[in-house]
Amino acid sequence: GAVVSQHPSRVICKSGTSVKIECRSLDFQATTMFWYRQFPKQSLMLMATSNEGSKATYEQGVEKDKFLINHASLTLSTLTVTSAHPEDSSFYICSAYGWGGSTDTQYFGPGTRLTVL
Amino acid sequence: QQQVKQSPQSLIVQKGGISIINCAYENTAFDYFPWYQQFPGKGPALLIAIRPDVSEKKEGRFTISFNKSAKQFSLHIMDSQPGDSATYFCAAVYQGGKLIFGQGTELSVKP
Repeated sequence: GAVVSQHPSRVICKSGTSVKIECRSLDFQATTMFWYRQFPKQSLMLMATSNEGSKATYEQGVEKDKFLINHASLTLSTLTVTSAHPEDSSFYICSAYGWGGSTDTQYFGPGTRLTVL
Repeated sequence: QQQVKQSPQSLIVQKGGISIINCAYENTAFDYFPWYQQFPGKGPALLIAIRPDVSEKKEGRFTISFNKSAKQFSLHIMDSQPGDSATYFCAAVYQGGKLIFGQGTELSVKP
């Protein structure tokens, strides 16, 4: 199956700082990438849809100025949490699909655990 | 209308038993129904998926049953093993690949 990586796997930062999370499709070209947030014991909530070369589409209630998404190439999307606060602490997961993988199936990264102190 | 309702929230099964997780949806625009398995601290992994024009799909010990008229689908895990202990999510795909997840079922298989 297609492989999606995320970096870093976990990050701890101070309140008010910005954190960048990278999502890479390793063996296929991802025309679309999705970013999810998952709180403990809860389901995945879609934050935004990212298409290569265009602006991300955010789900209702997600602050686009706080969660900056860039999809600069067919293999890389980044999520930047700006001015992070403790309530932003969560498990952030990306997924991707596109050429070389199934167009019906999203392949998920391993997730990034963000802890804001 | 965009929700996928999943039950039960948690499930305990003896080794060798059958685990059954149910999901229901409202939106008929959903066109693909995958199931994901997630271990603690890891991203979800695709387990098995089905299209609404198929009533059943089996892959190894995992079977999806799909009832289009009732808008319900279920995952059956035969001969459940302790290694199957994980959280399972049903999902539905719409609007160019967006996934709507169910609430999740925490499965524990006792030896």
